[in-house]
Order: sequence, then structure tokens, then C-alpha cells
Amino acid sequence: EVQLVESGGGLVKPGGSLRLSCAASGFTFSSYHMNWVRQAPGKGLEWVSSITTSSSNIYYADSVKGRFTVSRDNAKNSLALQMLSLTAEDTAVYYCARGRGWDYNLYMDVWGKGTTVIVSS
Amino acid sequence: EIVLTQSPGTLSLSPGERATLSCRASQSVNSNYLAWYQQKPGQAPRLLIYAASGRATGIPDRFSGSGSGTEFTLTISRLEPEDFAVFYCQQYGSSPLTFGGGTKVEIK
Repeated sequence: EVQLVESGGGLVKPGGSLRLSCAASGFTFSSYHMNWVRQAPGKGLEWVSSITTSSSNIYYADSVKGRFTVSRDNAKNSLALQMLSLTAEDTAVYYCARGRGWDYNLYMDVWGKGTTVIVSS
Repeated sequence: EIVLTQSPGTLSLSPGERATLSCRASQSVNSNYLAWYQQKPGQAPRLLIYAASGRATGIPDRFSGSGSGTEFTLTISRLEPEDFAVFYCQQYGSSPLTFGGGTKVEIK
């Protein structure tokens, strides 16, 4: 079964940091571009970041550029999102999603259940 | 950045009725790279349609997508009880990837 499982969410103070992980199974992870998408409480979906298969190309939304870093370990079938300098506006459910297409032209065909990040003092 | 505007915000319909959802882009979507997702409360989004009209694996044929350029439509031919949810469009023809604000299809 194709599966993505996120972890690492939690409560963090403003200015703090957090590292999210996504474990992939049931497919050849190294063959797919990967994405992070978030959803603030009661709001719509917001693309956060994409990383190509070999990590050669990485893209970020302007709202997180310079603060978030995406990475992947194809040997471990895992995706990560390092988040620094968090603010209340980063409070959201973060989804890991498999990308279809090429480079940044990606739609998402498989989604994890998400992990919740709450930034609050 | 391409802004996607979805309308209506809420659609109140009965099971068996036809649903027509609109997604309008602020500029032309390259290669009609437009996807549709369904999201139920407490769940992750599910891919329905890609490339404006391609149905994703396992998606019933009552779901169809159409359109090109700046105007796209998701049609549900006959609503089933499990179809009531929020639907999002997403363009992937240009960076950054963007989503519409969503249309909620609720039971009338």
C-alpha cells in the first residue's frame, strides 16, 4: 500500500524551531518529487515546498523562504522539513504529498494524514 | 503568482443533483496544468482530476473536469452522499504552485 506518514508536529513557542518528517512506503520513493503543503485552522491549502527526486531542485513559498529547509534521504525513504523562526502564522496541519509531473510542475497524487504544528506562547 | 478564485463559496444541493464548481485563474494556466482535490473534514485532500480533465486512479466517472486557459470546471454528474466535502483547485503550470480558496458542497 502506498503510504506517507508525517511526524514531528507539536506545540512550539514563537521564534522556536521544529523538524517534521515524512516516512514513505509502498512505492519507489527516489523516483518521485515530493512536497509539503499546509493548512491553517479553518483555512485552505497552501503549498510550502517541493523537492525533486535527487534534491537537485528545491522550491519554497515566499512565506517560508529563508526559514524552512526541505530535504530528503532516498536511502531511508524519508522527507524532512526543518522549520526555524516560527510564528503564529505557521500554525497549521502540515501534509507530505507525493508529486507527479516534473520539476516544479507538480500536482499531488498521494497525501499523508498530516501532522499538526501549533506556534503559541 | 497565479491567483485561483473558486465559486461559489458554498453549494447547497441534494443527493442525485448535478454540481458545477468553477475555478478562475488570474492568468492563463500553462498547458492546462490544473488539478482538483476533494477534502472531507479531518481528512487529507484526495486527488480527483489532473491536467484539467484527467481522472485520477480510482475516481468514479461521475467526476469530470473541463476548461482551459483561465476558466476551469469540476462537474459531479449525480451527487452521492459521500461526495459532500470541500473541493480545491490547484495550478501547477507556474511557480509558485497555488490553490484556490475552496468550494464547500453541502447537503441541502
